[in-house]
Amino acid sequence: GAVVSQHPSRVICKSGTSVKIECRSLDFQATTMFWYRQFPKQSLMLMATSNEGSKATYEQGVEKDKFLINHASLTLSTLTVTSAHPEDSSFYICSARRIGRGAYEQYFGPGTRLTVT
Amino acid sequence: AQSVTQLGSHVSVSEGALVLLRCNYSSSVPPYLFWYVQYPNQGLQLLLKYTTGATLVKGINGFEAEFKKSETSFHLTKPSAHMSDAAEYFCAVSRALTGGGNKLTFGTGTQLKVEL
Repeated sequence: GAVVSQHPSRVICKSGTSVKIECRSLDFQATTMFWYRQFPKQSLMLMATSNEGSKATYEQGVEKDKFLINHASLTLSTLTVTSAHPEDSSFYICSARRIGRGAYEQYFGPGTRLTVT
Repeated sequence: AQSVTQLGSHVSVSEGALVLLRCNYSSSVPPYLFWYVQYPNQGLQLLLKYTTGATLVKGINGFEAEFKKSETSFHLTKPSAHMSDAAEYFCAVSRALTGGGNKLTFGTGTQLKVEL
């Protein structure tokens, strides 16, 4: 149990366009989901915390108007990269906190590789 | 504030040798500590975690880690390396968020290479 999926796994888009990434908890409900960004050979940097039914909380330095997060249900959060630029190319990973379990339990998705040309 | 320091961005061991990946943390409150493994182009998989209780925790794939409060360390070990252990390993510390949930702070990662 506790499987998190992401779609798409890879996406290539042109500069100036927007791209949406989905994060789903497949066999559990998640009140909180997290979005991370990972540059090559580097660690994960938390971008934002997404709570179902409320606005996301963004980390310092993350542009909320550029990285739109919607947590519309207990099993789905989406990250939309608006007006993408080549510097937005990265590996985006989501995680989900399971309802009813310890506050420390996060389950990670497989990641989405975004390439902006 | 919390932080994690992983000593050694690259570690190379021979197959069958001891694996030791180092992690030191800084936390103003009792920490929750984690080790994750990441294979190329994949997400993170939890190896093991320490929350409370026994300071020696055992995880998957034969890995274990010991929480040493006096040394603020949580080093990851495995008695005998296997080729399939080659991956990136991340140590992380967690703190509780107001309203529930937790926020993970990751170390910079250690790339483990296993040689024949």
